[in-house]
Amino acid sequence: SAVISQKPSRDICQRGTSLTIQCQVDSQVTMMFWYRQQPGQSLTLIATANQGSEATYESGFVIDKFPISRPNLTFSTLTVSNMSPEDSSIYLCSVWGGVYGYTFGSGTRLTVV
Amino acid sequence: DAKTTQPTSMDCAEGRAANLPCNHSTISGNEYVYWYRQIHSQGPQYIIHGLKNNETNEMASLIITEDRKSSTLILPHATLRDTAVYYCIVAVSGTYKYIFGTGTRLKVLA
Repeated sequence: SAVISQKPSRDICQRGTSLTIQCQVDSQVTMMFWYRQQPGQSLTLIATANQGSEATYESGFVIDKFPISRPNLTFSTLTVSNMSPEDSSIYLCSVWGGVYGYTFGSGTRLTVV
Repeated sequence: DAKTTQPTSMDCAEGRAANLPCNHSTISGNEYVYWYRQIHSQGPQYIIHGLKNNETNEMASLIITEDRKSSTLILPHATLRDTAVYYCIVAVSGTYKYIFGTGTRLKVLA
């Protein structure tokens, strides 16, 4: 299955600032997915990132708040913009791993103060 | 809304089998049952999946009822490292839109 490297692993940020999270995959994949996991909660899909096209956002998530880039088939970034304490969560990227289902990165634990 | 219902938490003695149930009464004919687990603060890890037959791999066994409305994940000899949140997901194979429910928090006790 694919191996995903996600950076940073954690960060503490001031409200009103932005953080860009990077996701690198060791193989080419068509679709990459970004999830949010709020404290004590389950995972929620934010958006799907396709190479060469705009990301597709799920209900409740907008591009201005969570802009996504997908410059090639192995890399994607998610930016959390104009952060507030409510954005404190774990953010995870994921790719389809074929027979092994989806593979997830180790996550970025974001704390906004 | 999640298509699955799982108990919120379970305890299991180390070395014993852990049986984690999942109810998916509205499952469609082309939807698979997937199991993932999330060890504290890490990304979810794939465990096993199945359509209608029972499945076994090196990590676990999956028992799906004949009517496919429920399933059970079995960890045959639970260890402390199996302490995690276990998610049961039903989805069409290859679909990108996983809907995660609340999962079962399994605690393996020494």
